[in-house]
Amino acid sequence: DVKVTQSSRYLVKRTGEKVFLECVQDMDHENMFWYRQDPGLGLRLIYFSYDVKMKEKGDIPEGYSVSREKKERFSLILESASTNQTSMYLCASRRVAGGYEQYFGPGTRLTVT
Amino acid sequence: QQQVKQSPQSLIVQKGGISIINCAYENTAFDYFPWYQQFPGKGPALLIAIRPDVSEKKEGRFTISFNKSAKQFSLHIMDSQPGDSATYFCAASAETSGSRLTFGEGTQLTVNP
Repeated sequence: DVKVTQSSRYLVKRTGEKVFLECVQDMDHENMFWYRQDPGLGLRLIYFSYDVKMKEKGDIPEGYSVSREKKERFSLILESASTNQTSMYLCASRRVAGGYEQYFGPGTRLTVT
Repeated sequence: QQQVKQSPQSLIVQKGGISIINCAYENTAFDYFPWYQQFPGKGPALLIAIRPDVSEKKEGRFTISFNKSAKQFSLHIMDSQPGDSATYFCAASAETSGSRLTFGEGTQLTVNP
């Protein structure tokens, strides 16, 4: 069974803190993605990774960075959290030979105060 | 710039009725059009998808209608049930974009008993 897990369901951080969001998939998928979900804006791609140590900017990369040192793990980093980064963060993965389908984790609700 | 526009933002339907959600896109390179379903507290999950070589695809009560010339596609849910109450996202992808999905804004569907 396909499984994408995210390290926290809810997270509260202060402005200026460095924040790490972790995502792990157990399906040996090559591609991994980070999105943020905001009401009325849908899902917007922050960063994605084709494979280990590879990353590419999405549509809204400003204020974020990522790390993928192992195939199963993709981390999203907020270098200095700001209140406008309060959002739901969703991680997804995809198997290259499996078509376009992406498998999503349950999300992390981040609040920056 | 939102490349995939979705409407309505919210929809209330009576049990047994038909739910219709519409999407329009701009990029003619898009060649894959999925719909994702998201229940509260869960990540989105693929519901049904279509490629532009067909005008309609049906899976159970769910049907995608695709109009290539108008650059529009829609999701029809027949005999809507309270268990269908969820947020629905249309999306689009192009092979040339490396499997990136561009999502619509989302539609919150409520099916009243």
